[in-house]
Amino acid sequence: GENVEQHPSTLSVQEGDSAVIKCTYSDSASNYFPWYKQELGKRPQLIIDIRSNVGEKKDQRIAVTLNKTAKHFSLHITETQPEDSAVYFCAASIRLGGSQGNLIFGKGTKLSVKP
Amino acid sequence: DADVTQTPRNRITKTGKRIMLECSQTKGHDRMYWYRQDPGLGLRLIYYSFDVKDINKGEISDGYSVSRQAQAKFSLSLESAIPNQTALYFCATSDLSKSEQFFGPGTRLTVL
Repeated sequence: GENVEQHPSTLSVQEGDSAVIKCTYSDSASNYFPWYKQELGKRPQLIIDIRSNVGEKKDQRIAVTLNKTAKHFSLHITETQPEDSAVYFCAASIRLGGSQGNLIFGKGTKLSVKP
Repeated sequence: DADVTQTPRNRITKTGKRIMLECSQTKGHDRMYWYRQDPGLGLRLIYYSFDVKDINKGEISDGYSVSRQAQAKFSLSLESAIPNQTALYFCATSDLSKSEQFFGPGTRLTVL
């Protein structure tokens, strides 16, 4: 089955710097890759996702890139702010027809942004 | 606003006790999931249900059972709780035709 590995497990950056979190997946049939953000004591929430027919997607300060050949995808946060501090989870799944398969999550990255 | 709710939010129980965690949603979604979150291990799928008559085991179903009482309700049971089931449990929902999963607020379970 699918396996998703996420690195690093912790990341500390200075406010204003960029942060990059990387994930690799094992099943070449995976075609949907979301990123969830979980603030302390809160529930995970989707922040951005990408499908396999796209190489990059941006939404303001966050972007996700996908390399299908290497089977890895990355989350990029620019101009980090203290409110970006959270645990970030990547995930992968397979979409068949009109139905989305189950998500397989990475183990998470705890991002700390120091003022 | 349509939401996913979980009860209880916190529970402390003893080894060997039976416990039920409940999840309700007003999003009208067909699919419901139970995950377990442990520090450093991410979110692991326990059970999932694509409709009322459909129940499927996830990655770590041993020691757990579920019931889908209605489209809007999905319960997780621990028949005989053990200390290594101490964790944060999340319910989630998704629409059949869409990919995003919406999580409940979580239930923190401690088994002594």
